[in-house]
Amino acid sequence: DAKTTQPTSMDCAEGRAANLPCNHSTISGNEYVYWYRQIHSQGPQYIIHGLKNNETNEMASLIITEDRKSSTLILPHATLRDTAVYYCIPYNTDKLIFGTGTRLQVFP
Amino acid sequence: NAGVMQNPRHLVRRRGQEARLRCSPMKGHSHVYWYRQLPEEGLKFMVYLQKENIIDESGMPKERFSAEFPKEGPSILRIQQVVRGDSAAYFCASSPALVAKNIQYFGAGTRLSVL
Repeated sequence: DAKTTQPTSMDCAEGRAANLPCNHSTISGNEYVYWYRQIHSQGPQYIIHGLKNNETNEMASLIITEDRKSSTLILPHATLRDTAVYYCIPYNTDKLIFGTGTRLQVFP
Repeated sequence: NAGVMQNPRHLVRRRGQEARLRCSPMKGHSHVYWYRQLPEEGLKFMVYLQKENIIDESGMPKERFSAEFPKEGPSILRIQQVVRGDSAAYFCASSPALVAKNIQYFGAGTRLSVL
């Protein structure tokens, strides 16, 4: 299973873009990069995923480097409700392996 | 389409009792996953089931824990003779099929407190 490295914590001002990096240098060719978040002990919430190309949905954008060794999750206009722990997870099938994630604090 | 439903949301048991946690997957989903989150720790995979089959139980403690996903009805995570160390949040997720691009959707969890 691929190992990931994420900053322990980050701050972001409300209304600004939040850019959360993830290093997954050992990701295998058939593993997607998934991003989940957990808001204060709620169930994890799916955000976005990608394989090679950049992706965008109503929640966020995902930028994956060409060598696939790292990615960045972008919340374009962070709100207070985006305060959560964000997890980057290389995933193929079977189980999700959650690391320690990045604790994003959005402040007014 | 209702999401993943877990019940009860909170469960209190005394040491030595049994705990039964239920998970109803999203409609059309035949794959269920259980995860545990100990206080102040990350989420850890426990078991992955399809209807009537355990596919991967590599994260299950060897004793007292069992899981099932019968042909009819919800998936059940059963903990026998609970101890204080079993106090945790237990999350269930479901997905439609075993394909890499399929998303696991999570329930709100069951908070187990062992007195």
